[in-house]
Amino acid sequence: EVQLVQSGAEVKKSGESLKISCKGSGYRFSSYWIAWVRQMPGKGLEWIGIVYPGDSDTRYSPSFQGQVTISADKFTSTAYLQWSSLKASDTAMYYCARSPYCSGGGCYSCDYWGQGTLVTVSS
Amino acid sequence: QSALTQPASVSGSPGQSITISCTGTSSDVGGYNYVSWYQQHPGKAPKLMIYDVSNRPSGVSNRFSGSKSGNTASLTISGLQAEDEADYYCSSYTRSSTIFGGGTKLTVL
Repeated sequence: EVQLVQSGAEVKKSGESLKISCKGSGYRFSSYWIAWVRQMPGKGLEWIGIVYPGDSDTRYSPSFQGQVTISADKFTSTAYLQWSSLKASDTAMYYCARSPYCSGGGCYSCDYWGQGTLVTVSS
Repeated sequence: QSALTQPASVSGSPGQSITISCTGTSSDVGGYNYVSWYQQHPGKAPKLMIYDVSNRPSGVSNRFSGSKSGNTASLTISGLQAEDEADYYCSSYTRSSTIFGGGTKLTVL
């Protein structure tokens, strides 16, 4: 069974750093892209970027370039999303999702999703 | 890139059919056959319902169908059931990113 299990909720202060994780199981982790998606409170979905764990190829949405860092470790089947200096506006639910096919900075679809990690940043 | 345009809300009675539209441009919806639809219940993660415009993943009811004409994609749900009440998001591939619609809240009356 394909599963993406994300790390638990985080409460941070503005200016702090943070790294959240997404562990895949039930499939060959290195052969599928992992996407990160933001959902701010009461709002819609926003594409952050993608990583291919096989070679750590990483692509970012223009809106998030320079704001976050995406990475992956194929040996532990884990993908990461990190911030060096959080802002209150980073408060949101963050989802990781698996995608079989991506080209350029986009993916055709996301077939499995993690349960989400809620990040709360206070000022 | 701008988000795709979806109606904020739609509603229907049990057993009826509803259609949710998703309008983009020739650079996204109209330019590729890579439109997906996701269902999201409150407090839950999104679930893939339709991919590549009209394909259903294994396990998704055949009451859900997708189509596209020009720059507008559509999701149709037939035989509405109470469990279909949720938010629905369309998405489209583009070369620089994947973009989502703003979401449509489906209410089953």
